[in-house]
Amino acid sequence: RKEVEQDPGPFNVPEGATVAFNCTYSNSASQSFFWYRQDCRKEPKLLMSVYSSGNEDGRFTAQLNRASQYISLLIRDSKLSDSATYLCVGRRGSQGNLIFGKGTKLSVKP
Amino acid sequence: GAGVSQSPSNKVTEKGKDVELRCDPISGHTALYWYRQSLGQGLEFLIYFQGNSAPDKSGLPSDRFSAERTGGSVSTLTIQRTQQEDSAVYLCASSLVGAGYEQFFGPGTRLTVL
Repeated sequence: RKEVEQDPGPFNVPEGATVAFNCTYSNSASQSFFWYRQDCRKEPKLLMSVYSSGNEDGRFTAQLNRASQYISLLIRDSKLSDSATYLCVGRRGSQGNLIFGKGTKLSVKP
Repeated sequence: GAGVSQSPSNKVTEKGKDVELRCDPISGHTALYWYRQSLGQGLEFLIYFQGNSAPDKSGLPSDRFSAERTGGSVSTLTIQRTQQEDSAVYLCASSLVGAGYEQFFGPGTRLTVL
C-alpha cells in the first residue's frame, strides 16, 4: 500500500458546488497531515494543516479519521479560482519527511 | 524576506551533459529538500538537508545524482551524464525547523534533456 493515496480525479464541478476529496494513508505516514494546493505549472503551496479534531478555514474544512486512516478536504461554494490540484500530505514519523500524494485535480466550471 | 528561489528557471541540455541546479532557501530555514515532478505526476522526494548534512538521501534515483549544501544555505543539485528520463521540474523547498514542518517551495527548474 502506498503511504499516501488519492483519487486523481478530475473532479469537474459547477461554481457554487460543494466538493469533497478523500485521501488514505498508511501507518508509516501517520504523524501529521496537510493539504497543499498546486496550480498548473506552479509550485505547491500549503492550504491548511489537518488537526485531529478537524478544522475549518473559510470555505475549506479538513477532517481526520484515524480509525479508518483517511483525511478529507471539503470545499463549499466552489469558486473558479479553486481550480487546481490538491495534494494530500502525511508525515513519516515524529521527525520524518513529508510524504506527498499524487494529487486530486479539481476543475470548477462557470 | 524573499521566498525560495531557484535557478535557472529553465534548462535545456543534451543527453550526456552535466547540469547544476541551484536553490536559495528562505533565510533562517535550516531544512532544505529537493523533489522532482514529471509531467502530470506527483512529487518525488530526492534528498533532505538539515543544515549542511543530508540525513535522508534515499530518493536519489541513481549515482548520477548528487547534492550539496554549503553554509547552511544554498544548495546545488548536480546531475551527471543526463538522460532523457531526467527531464522534469526540479523543485526545492525549505522549512524553518526540520523535517515534517510546513515546506515552502521555490518555483522550480524545468529541465529538458534532448
